[in-house]
Amino acid sequence: KQEVTQIPAALSVPEGENLVLNCSFTDSAIYNLQWFRQDPGKGLTSLLLIQSSQREQTSGRLNASLDKSSGRSTLYIAASQPGDSATYLCAVTGGSNYKLTFGKGTLLTVNP
Amino acid sequence: GAVVSQHPSWVICKSGTSVKIECRSLDFQATTMFWYRQFPKQSLMLMATSNEGSKATYEQGVEKDKFLINHASLTLSTLTVTSAHPEDSSFYICGEGTGNTIYFGEGSWLTVV
Repeated sequence: KQEVTQIPAALSVPEGENLVLNCSFTDSAIYNLQWFRQDPGKGLTSLLLIQSSQREQTSGRLNASLDKSSGRSTLYIAASQPGDSATYLCAVTGGSNYKLTFGKGTLLTVNP
Repeated sequence: GAVVSQHPSWVICKSGTSVKIECRSLDFQATTMFWYRQFPKQSLMLMATSNEGSKATYEQGVEKDKFLINHASLTLSTLTVTSAHPEDSSFYICGEGTGNTIYFGEGSWLTVV
């Protein structure tokens, strides 16, 4: 059974700092890995999707890497802003049935 | 990305009553619908997967008679929590699958009192 772990559970940083969120998964036979953002009381917004054959994806100030063999992914946020404050979720898809297994998330607070 | 509309966003109901949550795809036709539940400080957990016109497949531990899922069309899926109890209070969110990704609704907060 796939298990996804996210570290740290919570992170508080001053504005402007670069930061890294970590995600690990137990079964390396994944189809893809996604990073989502969840705002309080809101749904999920997909940030980045990395296919199993890819090593990283970038979107603006976000960069996600994937090391499938070691079961790890990182989400790098450059020059953090207060608007980045949210919970960041990592999820992996096994096989081709679109079933996602989520981590518990990292609650990020960026202080002005 | 695709737009998925889910409502209600918030609902409070009395114990023993039923609550229906709707999930609509506004700009694409989704073959597969996923329903997730998230308890406070826990991971999103898949409850069931449904395909248009067929019965939903429930994950282990999820009561199919309590959580009724209907996927009557390619653009609409509903989750009905029957005979709700306080322990059913949770965040419920739908996701519609297309291609190799899922587009999520805004989620619904259910509080059973």
